[in-house]
Amino acid sequence: IAGITQAPTSQILAAGRRMTLRCTQDMRHNAMYWYRQDLGLGLRLIHYSNTAGTTGKGEVPDGYSVSRANTDDFPLTLASAVPSQTSVYFCASSETTYNEQFFGPGTRLTVL
Amino acid sequence: GQNIDQPTEMTATEGAIVQINCTYQTSGFNGLFWYQQHAGEAPTFLSYNVLDGLEEKGRFSSFLSRSKGYSYLLLKELQMKDSASYLCAVISNDYKLSFGAGTTVTVRA
Repeated sequence: IAGITQAPTSQILAAGRRMTLRCTQDMRHNAMYWYRQDLGLGLRLIHYSNTAGTTGKGEVPDGYSVSRANTDDFPLTLASAVPSQTSVYFCASSETTYNEQFFGPGTRLTVL
Repeated sequence: GQNIDQPTEMTATEGAIVQINCTYQTSGFNGLFWYQQHAGEAPTFLSYNVLDGLEEKGRFSSFLSRSKGYSYLLLKELQMKDSASYLCAVISNDYKLSFGAGTTVTVRA
């Protein structure tokens, strides 16, 4: 693989279910991010990781958790999905926190 | 919080020039990015400004004035493939990137 990948591409989920969105990069970037994109609101940061082993909260972290066990992977977990979490989720990575970010293709999540 | 404003929509003719303005009020400033996003796709990096002035990259240029909290993205010789959303984003003191809502540019033949 080259760049940053996300899985699944899309998912329909019943409210209350647990879901993990996967993100993997092969660029050896230190920093990784999760955003959600909703119409009219732009991209909003959910969680971030400046380097493997560390994570931090973004603008809209409630209902989401992340882990960064290694450099390449940064999964996002919805412990108990709610309809307001219906969105397009983008994972991104950057060499450092002040370099340009490279985005994955996105996951379209619908919670019913 | 961060406040980043840009127009919602702009329309221009093929071959023309369009200027997308972005104003920001953020807790500190460590750089401003412009991204392009085609419908249904991921954002892709266009430009980065950290010092005042104009950065030119082919048909695209980006300008920054830190004292005014202002940037613009200039698209010259518009092509149909330039129809997309253009996102202004600012890195603040905590090195997190905050995005504006995006400007949808429609290029007409």
